[in-house]
Amino acid sequence: EVQLVESGGGLVQPGRSLRLSCAASGFNFYDYAMHWVRQVPGKGPQWVSGINWNGGSIGYADSVKGRFIISRDNAENSLYLQMNSLRSEDTALYYCVKDESTEWELRKGYLYYGMDVWGQGTTVTVSS
Amino acid sequence: QSVLTQPPSASGTPGQRVTISCSGSSSNVGSVSVNWYQHLPGTAPKLLIYSSNQRPSGVPDRFSGSKSGTSASLAISGLQSEDEADYYCASWDDSLNGPVFGGGTKLTVL
Repeated sequence: EVQLVESGGGLVQPGRSLRLSCAASGFNFYDYAMHWVRQVPGKGPQWVSGINWNGGSIGYADSVKGRFIISRDNAENSLYLQMNSLRSEDTALYYCVKDESTEWELRKGYLYYGMDVWGQGTTVTVSS
Repeated sequence: QSVLTQPPSASGTPGQRVTISCSGSSSNVGSVSVNWYQHLPGTAPKLLIYSSNQRPSGVPDRFSGSKSGTSASLAISGLQSEDEADYYCASWDDSLNGPVFGGGTKLTVL
């Protein structure tokens, strides 16, 4: 069974840092791109960041660019999100999500399959 | 504000057919396929439809998807109480160069 388990969330003060982790199991982790997606209760999901199968291609939403860093360890079947300079608007439930492709980015001429498996999420609260 | 537009709520009685719409633009739904997710509180969102109209294995054929122009729809026939959940559409946006989502539709089974 494909499983994604997030950890590392919590309460943090504005301006501080937090590192999220995602443990993957049940599939060949190194074959797939991965994403972080966040959601505020009552709102739609928001894509945060994506990384391709080997970490060679990375993308960020404008709202987190320059503050968040996504990475992966294929030997450990793990995905990470280093969140720096946190703001109150970063408060959300953060999901680790598997892509159906090797690349996080839709390439010209390719069909879009998108995200297929989600974790249950870890809550990040940024407040003083 | 979500990039894709969905009605905030929908409802139906058991056995009925309901549809949920997802409106986008030429840079996303108009040129890229759409996925649909079902989200029950306290659980991980589940992929219901991919490539606009394909069902992953294990998803009942009561769920179907379609796309026309810059709009997509999710249809649920033979509505059941366990279908009560939040439903989200998603696609890729060429202008934003990233995945985009709808604001979600809360389905109530009366």
